[in-house]
Amino acid sequence: AQSVAQPEDQVNVAEGNPLTVKCTYSVSGNPYLFWYVQYPNRGLQFLLKYITGDNLVKGSYGFEAEFNKSQTSFHLKKPSALVSDSALYFCAVRDRDAGNNRKLIWGLGTSLAVNP
Amino acid sequence: NAGVTQTPKFQVLKTGQSMTLQCAQDMNHNSMYWYRQDPGMGLRLIYYSASEGTTDKGEVPNGYNVSRLNKREFSLRLESAAPSQTSVYFCASSELLASTDTQYFGPGTRLTVL
Repeated sequence: AQSVAQPEDQVNVAEGNPLTVKCTYSVSGNPYLFWYVQYPNRGLQFLLKYITGDNLVKGSYGFEAEFNKSQTSFHLKKPSALVSDSALYFCAVRDRDAGNNRKLIWGLGTSLAVNP
Repeated sequence: NAGVTQTPKFQVLKTGQSMTLQCAQDMNHNSMYWYRQDPGMGLRLIYYSASEGTTDKGEVPNGYNVSRLNKREFSLRLESAAPSQTSVYFCASSELLASTDTQYFGPGTRLTVL
């Protein structure tokens, strides 16, 4: 069965420090992977996605994520956190080999708190 | 370019009442989606519409109906609201129902059923 795990409910980091939000996935085929961010009382915003090619994907607001096929992971990273990065982060996956099943599988979200 | 808009932003219903949540997108997208977001449950797909004139059930369709009114608009109807439908509802759209497609979300409707 397809699934996405975000093992940390909450991540705390000091402003200026690097941040990592973890995501692991399980699909029967090859994955398409996405990161979205949700600011308080707002809808989800797309950050970045991995489709194919370079395992390091760069996205909006200075975020990047690295696809690691052997570890089935797609961790979100940023070299220097800002207080304004505090939000809820969602990882999502599709199985590219699933034919007509194009449903996006969502993680439960990780709350990131960046402390001044 | 407003993206995806949803109305209303907030709604309180009594058990058994009905209501329709409205969603519109101005990005000329073919596919549209309705999700609900509950604490500890993440996002769950209620219904989706691959293209104008088609709708399909998602993970949690019971108690809901949808209408793809035209390419821009996709509404979600609760015929007889129940407290279990208290949630935040998000509409989203994407260019195609393709595996690589990015979904764009509206700001959400916060619904409370008493």
